Amino acid sequence: DAGVIQSPRHEVTEMGQEVTLRCKPISGHNSLFWYRQTMMRGLELLIYFNNNVPIDDSGMPEDRFSAKMPNASFSTLKIQPSEPRDSAVYFCASSRRTINQPQHFGDGTRLSIL
Amino acid sequence: GNSVTQMEGPVTLSEEAFLTINCTYTATGYPSLFWYVQYPGEGLQLLLKATKADDKGSNKGFEATYRKETTSFHLEKGSVQVSDSAVYFCALAQGGSEKLVFGKGTKLTVNP
Repeated sequence: DAGVIQSPRHEVTEMGQEVTLRCKPISGHNSLFWYRQTMMRGLELLIYFNNNVPIDDSGMPEDRFSAKMPNASFSTLKIQPSEPRDSAVYFCASSRRTINQPQHFGDGTRLSIL
Repeated sequence: GNSVTQMEGPVTLSEEAFLTINCTYTATGYPSLFWYVQYPGEGLQLLLKATKADDKGSNKGFEATYRKETTSFHLEKGSVQVSDSAVYFCALAQGGSEKLVFGKGTKLTVNP
C-alpha cells in the first residue's frame, strides 16, 4: 500500500512568494494532520481534518497560513506571503478516525525561505 | 494542559549497550501513550503504544510500560544496534482525542 505522499520534497523560494505544499493521505484514512518541525520548537500540530472538515486549526501560526482539503485524497497547506521564519520541515499525516489508531506520516517537505 | 517531557539528548551509545529514554507526561484522565521513531530524512513511524495503565508496548526489541503512578512511559532496549540511530518521540493522546502531543524528541546515535 502506498503511504502518505507529500510534494514537493524540497522547496526553496524567496520571501514574499506564495508556497503551496501538497499531501495525499492513505486511501481509507479519514483524518489528516499537518505538522511543522523546527529545531527550536520541535513538532507542532498546525491543523487537522476529519472527513475533509477542519476540526482544530488552533496551531496555525497566523493568517498567512491556510489549509484546505477539497476531497478525501488531497490536501494543501498554503503560506502567503512567505517569510524566512517559516523555514521548517512540514509533515502531513493521516489515520483512520478510530481511538488509538496510529498516525502515518509522509516524508515531509523541507521548506527554505530566503 | 497536556504535555510530554523527554530526556534531552543527544544520547550516544556503543552497539549492544542498554538504552533508556525517559518520558513523563502531564494529562487529565487516562491518556494513550506512544513512542514514534524518525529516521534521517523520513517522517515519524509508530514504534509502540500502550492504552491503559500497566500495559507494556513492545516492538523490534523496544519496550515501554505505562506507569500511571509515576506518569511515565520510559523506552528501553536491551541491546542497541547501529540501525537504531534515529530520533525518538514520546507522545500522548488524551482519551477520545485524535490529537497527539509530542515531546521534543531524543536523538540517539549508536556507534559500532
